[in-house]
Amino acid sequence: EAQVTQNPRYLITVTGKKLTVTCSQNMNHEYMSWYRQDPGLGLRQIYYSMNVEVTDKGDVPEGYKVSRKEKRNFPLILESPSPNQTSLYFCATSRGGEQFFGPGTRLTVL
Amino acid sequence: AQSVSQHNHHVILSEAASLELGCNYSYGGTVNLFWYVQYPGQHLQLLLKYFSGDPLVKGIKGFEAEFIKSKFSFNLRKPSVQWSDTAEYFCAVSSALGGANNLFFGTGTRLTVIP
Repeated sequence: EAQVTQNPRYLITVTGKKLTVTCSQNMNHEYMSWYRQDPGLGLRQIYYSMNVEVTDKGDVPEGYKVSRKEKRNFPLILESPSPNQTSLYFCATSRGGEQFFGPGTRLTVL
Repeated sequence: AQSVSQHNHHVILSEAASLELGCNYSYGGTVNLFWYVQYPGQHLQLLLKYFSGDPLVKGIKGFEAEFIKSKFSFNLRKPSVQWSDTAEYFCAVSSALGGANNLFFGTGTRLTVIP
């Protein structure tokens, strides 16, 4: 079954404690991206990757890092999380312009 | 820069009422257009998409949307809503050239259907 998986699905952490949200896809898509969803703001793109070792900033990259060492994985790294990064995060893959979303990770930073 | 406007933030309808959600975009070039739905507690799912051809596109669950190029609009419609259509709906646009994979989303419209 074609899917995008994210882990963890829920995370509560404290300010400054580094964390990583993993994203994995089995569709062999080259393009992957991360979004955050906030009430009243819709989805905003954080980072995207056109292929292995190729990443670029989206609309709201501050406070985030990504890496793309393998085609199937695209982890999102928060080196020093802050409360304003409390949000719902979605990973997505894309082929031909159509995006496939993961189940989401709800992150709370205290 | 591309942008997407969804003017209805929250729509409340009774079952069997007709639905139309507005979506306008700002972009000077050729676009791909999408509507996604997010049911409570779930991830986004594609309802329908427009790449080219017939500007009236039909999606899943009885939804359709019409691309009106002169109005930069891509409104979503359904003739008779059901309680199970309660969800948040997002319009999105991408460039049809080059950046086809970079989606820009509207802020979403929450639909509540009352039984």
